[in-house]
Amino acid sequence: SQQGEEDPQALSIQEGENATMNCSYKTSINNLQWYRQNSGRGLVHLILIRSNEREKHSGRLRVTLDTSKKSSSLLITASRAADTASYFCATVGEGGKLIFGQGTELSVKP
Amino acid sequence: EAQVTQNPRYLITVTGKKLTVTCSQNMNHEYMSWYRQDPGLGLRQIYYSMNVEVTDKGDVPEGYKVSRKEKRNFPLILESPSPNQTSLYFCASSLGTRAFFGQGTRLTVV
Repeated sequence: SQQGEEDPQALSIQEGENATMNCSYKTSINNLQWYRQNSGRGLVHLILIRSNEREKHSGRLRVTLDTSKKSSSLLITASRAADTASYFCATVGEGGKLIFGQGTELSVKP
Repeated sequence: EAQVTQNPRYLITVTGKKLTVTCSQNMNHEYMSWYRQDPGLGLRQIYYSMNVEVTDKGDVPEGYKVSRKEKRNFPLILESPSPNQTSLYFCASSLGTRAFFGQGTRLTVV
């Protein structure tokens, strides 16, 4: 079952611009994670934000979490062509299962 | 280096011919899982294992088997593959919530 819904499904921007992706989820969470997937490759963990945190930074990444709205956003600042990838949010369900959103496909044009 | 290794990376097989996709992790993680990724359907969990000799069904277990005889290995077995099992498969292991993914196995069943 897919708990996370991501928006937009696809995003195309120019190098240097910021990219914002949103994720909504349905049930209560302890934390929310963001992963990145280069085309056809394995997912790579980017950042985890706990339910008692509102914002977290890691390099050019900024994640926010609004538990009242059951939503999170991932901001990539000063994007680069190498940021081109799909980005997924994930929450942890029953039995420790990661439940992924459908993903946002980001294309950064040089 | 912490990693999850899947083999093979690519496989084309015929309907009904049993196959095994291997997965091995070197991080001593207790939790391992298999996902399949299909366009428009996202990542769906097939099976997971919380420890040696403990396995359980995920969201789409039909047509698959797994075993967990050792902590490091978690093979995925397709006893009688069918064309609807053509997909991109990922093995993952985790300690706590953060997951480490293998590079994926692209399986085509003709």
